[in-house]
Amino acid sequence: DVKVTQSSRYLVKRTGEKVFLECVQDMDHENMFWYRQDPGLGLRLIYFSYDVKMKEKGDIPEGYSVSREKKERFSLILESASTNQTSMYLCASSLVVSGYTFGSGTRLTVV
Amino acid sequence: GQQLNQSPQSMFIQEGEDVSMNCTSSSIFNTWLWYKQDPGEGPVLLIALYKAGELTSNGRLTAQFGTTRKDSFLNISASIPSDVGIYFCAGPVAPSNYKLTFGKGTLLTVNP
Repeated sequence: DVKVTQSSRYLVKRTGEKVFLECVQDMDHENMFWYRQDPGLGLRLIYFSYDVKMKEKGDIPEGYSVSREKKERFSLILESASTNQTSMYLCASSLVVSGYTFGSGTRLTVV
Repeated sequence: GQQLNQSPQSMFIQEGEDVSMNCTSSSIFNTWLWYKQDPGEGPVLLIALYKAGELTSNGRLTAQFGTTRKDSFLNISASIPSDVGIYFCAGPVAPSNYKLTFGKGTLLTVNP
């Protein structure tokens, strides 16, 4: 089975800190995604990557950046964390649309 | 953009009851997907639908791809406590074949 591993289940960071969320997949998938999940708002796409060093903005990229230096790893970066970035962050990878595999999520709290 | 309207937002049911939820869009989709998210976990794919009118089952779950290609339905029969979670519909964002848009989810609570 494809496994998508997010490095932390829970994180607490201070306002203004630079935050790195790491995601690793083990099945050689080209596509990787970062979503944010908030109650009542569902899953919103922040950024995605369809190849190494390639990235595209999703629906809510403001305040975030990403890095994909190796195929298996996709990092989400909060340049200067703010309290409105407190959320559940989900990473996913896929070959094709129906093959999305999600990680278990990182619950980030910014204080 | 292509948006998915999912309803109901939440459901509270008794164990053993059947459940229905649906997803609609103003845009045509060529694929409909249904995911379930257990508490504290990431979503997991339940059923994928690729053809208008298609009816697909996975155990007690049945999903249908609407004939207009603008809607899809998920039914759960004889619910059990482990059915608790959030159910999401999803479809590909045109013209991409690898990027999904998700509905806002249906939160299901099952009372034993």
